[in-house]
Amino acid sequence: AQSVTQLGSHVSVSEGALVLLRCNYSSSVPPYLFWYVQYPNQGLQLLLKYTSAATLVKGINGFEAEFKKSETSFHLTKPSAHMSDAAEYFCAVSWGGSYIPTFGRGTSLIVHP
Amino acid sequence: NAGVMQNPRHLVRRRGQEARLRCSPMKGHSHVYWYRQLPEEGLKFMVYLQKENIIDESGMPKERFSAEFPKEGPSILRIQQVVRGDSAAYFCASSPPAALNTEAFFGQGTRLTVV
Repeated sequence: AQSVTQLGSHVSVSEGALVLLRCNYSSSVPPYLFWYVQYPNQGLQLLLKYTSAATLVKGINGFEAEFKKSETSFHLTKPSAHMSDAAEYFCAVSWGGSYIPTFGRGTSLIVHP
Repeated sequence: NAGVMQNPRHLVRRRGQEARLRCSPMKGHSHVYWYRQLPEEGLKFMVYLQKENIIDESGMPKERFSAEFPKEGPSILRIQQVVRGDSAAYFCASSPPAALNTEAFFGQGTRLTVV
């Protein structure tokens, strides 16, 4: 069965610092991987997705993620945090046997001035 | 092209009442998913529907919860005899047919409060 683990329920960074949000997945077949962002009282918005093309995926708002099969990871990064990046971030996985995205528990990104 | 529309955005029900949550998918989307979000728990899959069919309801509680996606009209998530533990944000997502590598598009959610 597929699963997603997001390490760290809260990540705190200073404005301008590197953002690193971790995601590891478990899937017996090649997965499709996604990062979503959720702002307070809003729905989820797609940041980026991996669909077996390039392993380094660039998304919106300066975010990118790298698929590492050997590490079963899909960590999300951004070189320089902005105050507006403060939100909840969810990693999700789906695979060839199921259309249903499975979500991690989420990581709350806190950005300090 | 309007996004996924959910209504109401906020719903308050007394214990024992029924809650009906509506979801209109994006135009051209025939797959609908319902998720429940509890604080600190992420999104939990509830049910996956296509037009007039329930494809996977493995995440639905066995009692009081039901979902439908009729040929015409929105998808409905129905909760009968609500209890305080049903208080949560309920999200609907939709996707095009037969598209494994496309993301699900989310609505803004319905926040259910049971008093």
